[in-house]
Amino acid sequence: KQEVTQIPAALSVPEGENLVLNCSFTDSAIYNLQWFRQDPGKGLTSLLLIQSSQREQTSGRLNASLDKSSGRSTLYIAASQPGDSATYLCAVSPDSWGKLQFGAGTQVVVTP
Amino acid sequence: DVKVTQSSRYLVKRTGEKVFLECVQDMDHENMFWYRQDPGLGLRLIYFSYDVKMKEKGDIPEGYSVSREKKERFSLILESASTNQTSMYLCASKSRTGFYGYTFGSGTRLTVV
Repeated sequence: KQEVTQIPAALSVPEGENLVLNCSFTDSAIYNLQWFRQDPGKGLTSLLLIQSSQREQTSGRLNASLDKSSGRSTLYIAASQPGDSATYLCAVSPDSWGKLQFGAGTQVVVTP
Repeated sequence: DVKVTQSSRYLVKRTGEKVFLECVQDMDHENMFWYRQDPGLGLRLIYFSYDVKMKEKGDIPEGYSVSREKKERFSLILESASTNQTSMYLCASKSRTGFYGYTFGSGTRLTVV
């Protein structure tokens, strides 16, 4: 059974620092991996989707890498801002149908 | 702006009631999903649907059923609500092609008393 782990569980950084969030998964037979952001009491916002054949995806200040063979993904957020404060979740899908297995998330606080 | 809309933001229901949670998407997506999110347990898949009138059980289907009579609408049904079904419920949809990611609704926080 696929297990998805996110480390650290919580992270606090001063504004301007780069953020590095880690995600690991036990079964490398994934179809894709997705990073989400969740604000308190709200739904999830998709940030980046990496197909299993890709090594990384970038969107603005966000960059996500994928090393399928070692079962790891890293989300980098450059030059963090207070508005980046949220919980970040990674999730893997075993096939194109889209069932997701989520990690528990990393709660990020960016202090002004 | 594409959307997944969940009909209620907050709901309070009594134990034993039949509860309907509604979800509508406007993206013509084939696949739709219901997850619940609980502190310490994360998000868990309850049911998903890959076409009208088609459904598949997820990881925790017990106590729930679903209905998909139209492509855009996916309903989650709690047959007889219990206090352990108090949770945040999140609906999501995605295209079957798999190239694009999920779109989630804002969630329904259900409290069963």
